[in-house]
Amino acid sequence: GAVVSQHPSRVICKSGTSVKIECRSLDFQATTMFWYRQFPKQSLMLMATSNEGSKATYEQGVEKDKFLINHASLTLSTLTVTSAHPEDSSFYICSAADRGLGTGELFFGEGSRLTVL
Amino acid sequence: KQEVTQIPAALSVPEGENLVLNCSFTDSAIYNLQWFRQDPGKGLTSLLLIQSSQREQTSGRLNASLDKSSGRSTLYIAASQPGDSATYLCAVNQAGTALIFGKGTTLSVSS
Repeated sequence: GAVVSQHPSRVICKSGTSVKIECRSLDFQATTMFWYRQFPKQSLMLMATSNEGSKATYEQGVEKDKFLINHASLTLSTLTVTSAHPEDSSFYICSAADRGLGTGELFFGEGSRLTVL
Repeated sequence: KQEVTQIPAALSVPEGENLVLNCSFTDSAIYNLQWFRQDPGKGLTSLLLIQSSQREQTSGRLNASLDKSSGRSTLYIAASQPGDSATYLCAVNQAGTALIFGKGTTLSVSS
């Protein structure tokens, strides 16, 4: 199947700093990518839909100025957590569909675990 | 708004048992249904994809069925093993949209 890669897999930062997480489609082009977060012992919650060349669409309750999404190319979307606080500590995971497969199956990155001290 | 429910929330079985995990969704107008496995602290492992026109998919000891009209899917695991212990997630979407996840079923298989 198609491969989606995330970096970094783990990051620890101090409160107030900004952290950037990258999501790459390695062997296909993705005009749309999806960002999720998962708090401990909870399921994945959709944060936003990242669209190549245009603004991201955020889910209700997700602050667009805090979670900056940039999808500047067909293979890369980035999520920047600005002025991170301990409550932003979570597991962030991205996904994308390889439209060339024709199935609509979504492939997921390995996830990025953010810990804010 | 689509909602996905998984029952049971947790399940403990002895090794060798066959088991069924249930998933239901409120809006039957889905495009795909996907089952995933997640180990503690890890990402998602895709298990099975069922497209809306399909009724079931099989992979090894796993079989997933889809009844789109009633908004239900089941994941059948045959001859369970301790290595099957994980959280199993069901998710659905419409064409071109994000997957909406259930809260998962946490399975524990004892040896």
